[in-house]
This record gives sequence, C-alpha cells and structure tokens, in this order.
Amino acid sequence: AQSVTQPDIHITVSEGASLELRCNYSYGATPYLFWYVQSPGQGLQLLLKYFSGDTLVQGIKGFEAEFKRSQSSFNLRKPSVHWSDAAEYFCAVGGTGGGNKLTFGTGTQLKVEL
Amino acid sequence: DAEITQSPRHKITETGRQVTLACHQTWNHNNMFWYRQDLGHGLRLIHYSYGVQDTNKGEVSDGYSVSRSNTEDLPLTLESAASSQTSVYFCATQSRRDSPLHFGNGTRLTVT
Repeated sequence: AQSVTQPDIHITVSEGASLELRCNYSYGATPYLFWYVQSPGQGLQLLLKYFSGDTLVQGIKGFEAEFKRSQSSFNLRKPSVHWSDAAEYFCAVGGTGGGNKLTFGTGTQLKVEL
Repeated sequence: DAEITQSPRHKITETGRQVTLACHQTWNHNNMFWYRQDLGHGLRLIHYSYGVQDTNKGEVSDGYSVSRSNTEDLPLTLESAASSQTSVYFCATQSRRDSPLHFGNGTRLTVT
C-alpha cells in the first residue's frame, strides 16, 4: 500500500531564512508526487507536482522540490521564507499503480517568526 | 471561473441522525473524491467516483455512502452520525489520472 511520511509536525523559521520540509513515500511503482498548502479555513492548493523527467521541480510562490528515488524522498524547499508562507503543508503520493487516488501525509505546520 | 462548492460550511448534528454533505463542481471533471481531515491523520480518503454511476470505497468508508447521478455532484451521506465522524470534510475533483486535485473549502461537521 502506498504511504507518505512527513516527520516534522511543526517547524518554525525566521522570515528570510531558508526552508526544507521533509517527505518520504512508499510506493510500488513510479510515483506521482505532490505538495499542497493549506491556509486556515481553506481547502488545499497545489504548490507543485512531479510525474517524470527533471527531478527538481519548480512550483508557485517560489517553492521547489527534489525527487530522490534512491531515498524515496520528495522534500520541499524555499530559499527565503515570507511571513505569508505560514500554513500547513501536505505531501501526497499517487500514480497509475494505485489508480489516481492520492495518499496524503499528516502535514507539517509552518510558523514564520518576524 | 470553475469552482467546487461545498455546503454547508458548518454543521452540528446529533448522534444517530442522517447527514448529507453536498459537493457541486463546475470543472466538468469525471473524478471526484471525499476526504476527511483530522489532526494527526492528515487527509484520508472516504469515497471516490470516476464518473456517473461509479462509486468506490476509500480507506475510511465505514458509516459513509455516496451516489453519483450526474457529473457535477457527489453528495456524502452519513447514515447514522457518530461522534467519531466529527471532522472537516473536503471534496476534490480531478480531470484525469495525472492531474492534481482541486479542493473545495471544506465542511466542518460536529456530531454531539
């Protein structure tokens, strides 16, 4: 069965500092990988996705993620965090092996200190 | 712009009552999903549909049902609400297998 682990429940960074959110997945075939962001009281918004090709993918709001098959990881990064980035971030895995159902991680809550 | 509308946004009900949460989309997507979001669990899939008259169980389907009579709507019914079903429920749509999900803004359900 497919699964996603986000080991960090909460992360606090200072505005302007770099950010890395960790995501490890388990999937029996070639995965489709996603990062979503959720602001309070809102639904989830797609930040970026990986299906194939270049393992470094760029997303919206200055985010990027790198797919590392050998480590089963898809970590999210941002060089300089803005106060408006404070939100909850979810990693998700899916693909043809599991149909088009996505399995989500438990989320990482990001706090940004001014 | 296309959108997903979930209603109501908030609902309080009593244990044992039947409750239906609505999801209406104007994306014209075939694939629709219901997730519940709980602290410490992230989002878990309840039911999903790949088209009209198609419904499938997700990982936490017990106590829930869905029906798909048209492309636009996938209502989620709690047959007999339980306190364990207090949660935030999200509807999502998808155009095809390799497309991302589009989410509604959620329904917060409290079962007392």
